[in-house]
Amino acid sequence: QVQLQESGPGLVKPSQTLSLTCSVSGGSIIVGNYYWSWIRQPAGKGLEWIGHIYRSGSTNYSPSLTSRVTISIDTSKNQFSLRLTSVTAADTAVFYCAAMRIETGAFEIWGRGTMVIVSS
Amino acid sequence: QSALTQPASVSGSPRQSITISCTGTSSDIGGYNFVSWYQQHPGKAPKLIIFDVDKRPPGVPNRFSASKSGNTASLTISGLHSEDEAYYFCSSYTTSSALVFGGGTKLTVL
Repeated sequence: QVQLQESGPGLVKPSQTLSLTCSVSGGSIIVGNYYWSWIRQPAGKGLEWIGHIYRSGSTNYSPSLTSRVTISIDTSKNQFSLRLTSVTAADTAVFYCAAMRIETGAFEIWGRGTMVIVSS
Repeated sequence: QSALTQPASVSGSPRQSITISCTGTSSDIGGYNFVSWYQQHPGKAPKLIIFDVDKRPPGVPNRFSASKSGNTASLTISGLHSEDEAYYFCSSYTTSSALVFGGGTKLTVL
C-alpha cells in the first residue's frame, strides 16, 4: 500500500521560496502509472491543483502558477519535491502531495497534508 | 483555468438523497470522461469516491453514484448517513493536460 508524507518548513517569509518534499513509501515511485502531484488548500477554501511530474521527469503546471513553480523527482530517494518562488500571504495553505492515476485523472492516494504559513 | 462551479452547500435528512452538481465547460467536464469526486472531512485529506465520471473505488458504498451530462457532472448520495456530512469536491482533466477542481460543497446531514 503506497503512502505519501509531506515534509518541509511550516513558516516561510514573504518573497522567499517555499520548498516541500513528498516521501513515497510502500512502493517505488517509478512503478505504476501515476503523475506525482501537488495540490494546495487555503484555510476554509477549495482545492487548487499546482502541478505534477511523471517518473520520467516530465511536468505539467497550473497556468496560474507556472511562472513560480518547479516540481522535481528523485527516484533514488523515492521522493518528489515542490518549489514555489516569490511567495506572498496568498500562498498560505495546506499543501498535499498526491498520486494521480494517469488513465483516469483521479487522485487515488493522498498525503496527510502540511500547513505552510507565509509571514514575516 | 477557472474552477468548476459547485453549490456552496446542500443538506438532507438521514435516509434521504441529495445531489451535488459540478458545472464546467467543453474544455473540461464536457470534453473528457475524467471526472472525479472527493470527500473531505474537516482536518483530513480528501478521499477519492468517484472516478471516470461514475466508477467507485473499492470500499466506497454504492450509496454514492455519479453521472455527467454535457458540461455538468453530478454526485448523488442515497440514504444519507450522518458520517456523510463532509465537503465534496469535483475535479476534471482539462485541455493542456491540466486539472481543475470545483469550489467544494458542504453537505450537512440534518
